[in-house]
Parts: sequence; C-alpha cells; structure tokens
Amino acid sequence: GAVVSQHPSRVICKSGTSVKIECRSLDFQATTMFWYRQFPKQSLMLMATSNEGSKATYEQGVEKDKFLINHASLTLSTLTVTSAHPEDSSFYICSARDVLAGPRSSTDTQYFGPGTRLTVL
Amino acid sequence: DAKTTQPNSMESNEEEPVHLPCNHSTISGTDYIHWYRQLPSQGPEYVIHGLTSNVNNRMASLAIAEDRKSSTLILHRATLRDAAVYYCILSKIGSSNTGKLIFGQGTTLQVKP
Repeated sequence: GAVVSQHPSRVICKSGTSVKIECRSLDFQATTMFWYRQFPKQSLMLMATSNEGSKATYEQGVEKDKFLINHASLTLSTLTVTSAHPEDSSFYICSARDVLAGPRSSTDTQYFGPGTRLTVL
Repeated sequence: DAKTTQPNSMESNEEEPVHLPCNHSTISGTDYIHWYRQLPSQGPEYVIHGLTSNVNNRMASLAIAEDRKSSTLILHRATLRDAAVYYCILSKIGSSNTGKLIFGQGTTLQVKP
C-alpha cells in the first residue's frame, strides 16, 4: 500500500523556537496533503489543506502565521510551528491524497503518516 | 456537512466478529462513507469505504443500510491488534470533493483475549 512518512517522529524544543515537520509521500504523488493536530484522548483536528504550488488553506481558528505550510513538490509538504509554546505540544499528523485515484487507492483514499509528537518545554 | 454518530466504546472477545455501528441520518447522495482506524500513538489507517453497496476487503466488510442512513463495519474475527479507535467519516464525491476528512470522536474498540 501507499506509504507516507513524517520526520521527525518525536521532537522536544524550548519555548520560543521554531520546529519544522516534514511529510513525504514515498511511492505516489500528492497534489494535496492535509495537516492534523491531536491532543491526548481527543480526536484529530484538521488544521489546513496543503496544495502543491499554491498557498495552504487553513481551517477556522488556525493561525496561518504560526503554522507555516509549504508544499514545494508533489511528494513533500512541511509544517513549521513558529515561536512554539507549551500549548503547541501535540501529536501532528499529515495525510496525502493520491493524485492517480485508481484500483490501488480505491478512489481518492487518503494515506496518513505515523505522526510527530511535539513537546515544547 | 452531514455528521456521523458512533458509540464511544465497544468490547469484543478475541476471534469473535465485531459489528461497529455508525449513524449518518443526514447523509446526502454525494457522500461516501469512509472508515479509518487509529492504533495508539500512530496515524490513522484506511479500512474501507463505500457509497451504496456493501463492500468487502481483506481487512473488513462494510454493510450499508438501504436508505444509507446507517452503516456497520464488520471485523470478521477480532484480534488483539484490532484494538483501536474506529472512525466513520463522510466525504463528498465529484466536484464537491475537497478531500477533507472531518474526524468525530470515533469508537474505541477493546479486544479481550
């Protein structure tokens, strides 16, 4: 099946620093990737839609200047948490939408990365 | 957007079938029914999806009510590795399809040995 990777899997940083998280689709091209955040014992919350070659679309209540998203190629999207604070500590998950929806992807299936656990001290 | 309703939790015994229900009474004709599951500390994993007809794959079966207002995910023989949170999600098809998946609280499935 299609594979999506995230790097790093775990990061600890000091308050006020910026952290970049990478999301890669390893064996397929993705014009669209999505970024989610998940707090402990809660469901995933969609943060933004990342489109290759254009600006990301943010969900209501998500600060675009704090969570910078870049989708520079069909296989890579990055999320940068700027000036991180302890309340930004969370599990960040990306997903990628297969461009060539077909038998393998069973029509527009999304594939999720393993997540990045961010801890801000 | 149409919403889904799932029980918060369910329990099952190992090697027995599990039926996970989902209500989506406001589903529209352009909504696909998707199921994903999330194991602890991992990203969600695609399980199955369907539109009108029942669907089977190597992981599970999806039974869709005739009026499409409810569906049931069926795990034929639960294993300990099936313990996860199962999410039932509606997603548009066609030109309305943004690809967005809006996750509800899901059903936490516990499997007893």
